[in-house]
Amino acid sequence: RKEVEQDPGPFNVPEGATVAFNCTYSNSASQSFFWYRQDCRKEPKLLMSVYSSGNEDGRFTAQLNRASQYISLLIRDSKLSDSATYLCVVIQSNTGNQFYFGTGTSLTVIP
Amino acid sequence: GAVVSQHPSRVICKSGTSVKIECRSLDFQATTMFWYRQFPKKSLMLMATSNEGSKATYEQGVEKDKFLINHASLTLSTLTVTSAHPEDSSFYICSASQGIETQYFGPGTRLLVL
Repeated sequence: RKEVEQDPGPFNVPEGATVAFNCTYSNSASQSFFWYRQDCRKEPKLLMSVYSSGNEDGRFTAQLNRASQYISLLIRDSKLSDSATYLCVVIQSNTGNQFYFGTGTSLTVIP
Repeated sequence: GAVVSQHPSRVICKSGTSVKIECRSLDFQATTMFWYRQFPKKSLMLMATSNEGSKATYEQGVEKDKFLINHASLTLSTLTVTSAHPEDSSFYICSASQGIETQYFGPGTRLLVL
């Protein structure tokens, strides 16, 4: 079973739409969670950390559900520039600083 | 934020040759550097973890004699793909870390082996 699983998509949404991605993780010892954004042929860049209480950054909202072992990312009022692959990242408490990446969810925002 | 560079950004080589990729942390000292590989439409797969002055720790299934890692200083790690073959063609990305839960990624190196 994979450490981190995501729906690969692709998600094709019109500008202004709201879209949500989910990610599940298998190890209950996971301690830290992030969403990264990766543009085509580029390196991943940190989008936001995910906290137990949930957190919001502008149009982006991230939530963590430890009981069900999943995290989510909600994007409101989608912009064309949001088109990218969104990677879920999990750090487990017993593996130091090793990042476990999901396969990524592809988003295309259509004019 | 912290800056990590990689060189070269793109390389094309013949089968059987060796290719060296450099990863540098430009404005900070990285205690740990990581090497990832990413195939098209796939996620990043960790190849190895490298600490300055010590041997790299390779992930299961990654041949340490084929992918040589040297981490000679706190700002430089190199990955050498020895006797490269077409199946080694991939996007190689390094990251550098100053501590727990932080990794700064390099821009990646696209390797094509003919």
